[in-house]
Amino acid sequence: DAKTTQPPSMDCAEGRAANLPCNHSTISGNEYVYWYRQIHSQGPQYIIHGLKNNETNEMASLIITEDRKSSTLILPHATLRDTAVYYCIARPNFGNEKLTFGTGTRLTIIP
Amino acid sequence: EAGVTQFPSHSVIEKGQTVTLRCDPISGHDNLYWYRRVMGKEIKFLLHFVKESKQDESGMPNNRFLAERTGGTYSTLKVQPAELEDSGVYFCASSQRFGQGLGEAFFGQGTRLTVV
Repeated sequence: DAKTTQPPSMDCAEGRAANLPCNHSTISGNEYVYWYRQIHSQGPQYIIHGLKNNETNEMASLIITEDRKSSTLILPHATLRDTAVYYCIARPNFGNEKLTFGTGTRLTIIP
Repeated sequence: EAGVTQFPSHSVIEKGQTVTLRCDPISGHDNLYWYRRVMGKEIKFLLHFVKESKQDESGMPNNRFLAERTGGTYSTLKVQPAELEDSGVYFCASSQRFGQGLGEAFFGQGTRLTVV
């Protein structure tokens, strides 16, 4: 699986948009970009995934660059409950189905 | 609909004892995964079941760990004998039928295992 690189930590003011970057310069054509988060003491939670088009759901938006070497997860109106560790994962769309978690970005929402 | 359920939520055992963790996946999910996070480390994959068959057990650390999924429903992960380095949080996850695309994996709340 392609290795992803994320900043170790970020802060964001409550109510503002949180933009979490991820680099995946070695991603291959059959790998999707997945985002999960882990709120303290809970199991990881799926957020969103995409291949090459931008995606949006009720939780977040995912912007993938045209060359697919990087992406940004956007939480449009961050709340205190969004404080968590966010993981960007590149995952093949067939074969190996496991998730490879890195160190993620610890996002802190500031009141 | 019930989510992924794990039992117990916490377990404290002495070194050398046996512990069995249980995971009940979401009903109808054929895929079941075990992961764990040991102190200060990243979440690591342990193994993957498709129904009752082990699809990938490349992450199992050693032969003290035994996972089963009889009947393709719930799964157990037994650690025998437990060692201090087995302490951590064990997560179970499930996802929809194999071969129907990579849907999201739903995780349980985890079992916090402490070996003393």
